[in-house]
Amino acid sequence: ETGVTQTPRHLVMGMTNKKSLKCEQHLGHNAMYWYKQSAKKPLELMFVYSLEERVENNSVPSRFSPECPNSSHLFLHLHTLQPEDSALYLCASSQGRGPPSGPGSFTDTQYFGPGTRLTVL
Amino acid sequence: GQNIDQPTEMTATEGAIVQINCTYQTSGFNGLFWYQQHAGEAPTFLSYNVLDGLEEKGRFSSFLSRSKGYSYLLLKELQMKDSASYLCAHSGGYNKLIFGAGTRLAVHP
Repeated sequence: ETGVTQTPRHLVMGMTNKKSLKCEQHLGHNAMYWYKQSAKKPLELMFVYSLEERVENNSVPSRFSPECPNSSHLFLHLHTLQPEDSALYLCASSQGRGPPSGPGSFTDTQYFGPGTRLTVL
Repeated sequence: GQNIDQPTEMTATEGAIVQINCTYQTSGFNGLFWYQQHAGEAPTFLSYNVLDGLEEKGRFSSFLSRSKGYSYLLLKELQMKDSASYLCAHSGGYNKLIFGAGTRLAVHP
């Protein structure tokens, strides 16, 4: 257990459905992340939140909509997905020390949740 | 651009030593991470190198050469439970990790 939980663990949805993925961290961290992991491809960073503010949006299609209501919770809202969006979606958190960029910016260790295995039919 | 390469698969024998290499290219560098990921599970943190040299943690060690854009993860006294994917990632900015595709290690008796 890393202190980061994700629900649901498995999700099957049609292309017209709307669903949400939930992530919760119990580590007192200030930064949270969404990653996509497709078969035989590198982990791809999707979104970064620091102190509930989005600081990174890695050219992700608008059918993925993140929400961070507080520093412990992160959601990924899904709508009108495509079959190629089928993947493992991983949430991570880190301490989030220092400024987002420039002098003093720091790379924290990220702790991952178990992921949600998403299948889009 | 940012690029990171590691072998796709490796096999090794229980009790042996294995070295997993990682090379990277980046316009900005803020450290090199190694994660372990068992099938169907979350990646778990193994090591972080930001300065050149070797960091040792029990059976696992990680090495970094920033001038060569090169790192390796060394696993000693291999156990069956070490069969997993090993992910190399470099940080190009504030907590923005760029991952390699991972090296799938199979440990045989």
